[in-house]
Amino acid sequence: KNEVEQSPQNLTAQEGEFITINCSYSVGISALHWLQQHPGGGIVSLFMLSSGKKKHGRLIATINIQEKHSSLHITASHPRDSAVYICAVRRYYGGATNKLIFGTGTLLAVQP
Amino acid sequence: GAGVSQSPSNKVTEKGKDVELRCDPISGHTALYWYRQSLGQGLEFLIYFQGNSAPDKSGLPSDRFSAERTGGSVSTLTIQRTQQEDSAVYLCASSLGGRRNSPLHFGNGTRLTVT
Repeated sequence: KNEVEQSPQNLTAQEGEFITINCSYSVGISALHWLQQHPGGGIVSLFMLSSGKKKHGRLIATINIQEKHSSLHITASHPRDSAVYICAVRRYYGGATNKLIFGTGTLLAVQP
Repeated sequence: GAGVSQSPSNKVTEKGKDVELRCDPISGHTALYWYRQSLGQGLEFLIYFQGNSAPDKSGLPSDRFSAERTGGSVSTLTIQRTQQEDSAVYLCASSLGGRRNSPLHFGNGTRLTVT
């Protein structure tokens, strides 16, 4: 079993829909990152979370440390949101933080 | 520079040749990661450098892969005797590192094709 699981793996939505992408992890972490990768493009960091909730424009990220779960929400989705969304956790090793572990990504396609 | 810089952006090599991939992290970033992404696959961790500490090499797939980071800045990933399965996009990322949680900054990657 992967230490970081994302769902769904693929998601197709109509423009304007509210979208949720989920990430569950099984290890102790010090931080969780949400990343965006456009087709043929680079990777951009959207959020870094260690607790609670963050909002940037139409994007909202939440994390529940006790349940080891995070969600990325996109409100009023647009075709330009089409990309792969990747969850990554920074694993916590008893006081010393270490490498990132990535989920396999969620491919989002928003149709006009 | 303003961001993480990787070179070359594309590299085509013949099977059996050695290749070197370069990463220039953001100035002041002590943490540096190498990942690779094969076609249609997720990100695979390769190696992690943090300051002067011994690197975490647990993700290197074979002894043909090695990496170094000179002066705590520029990093070079070397693949010896390349194989076709080494074809992938090799990504470098940096962050402030240490015990601080800080955002990641990715380079645009090097697309390696082994023919």
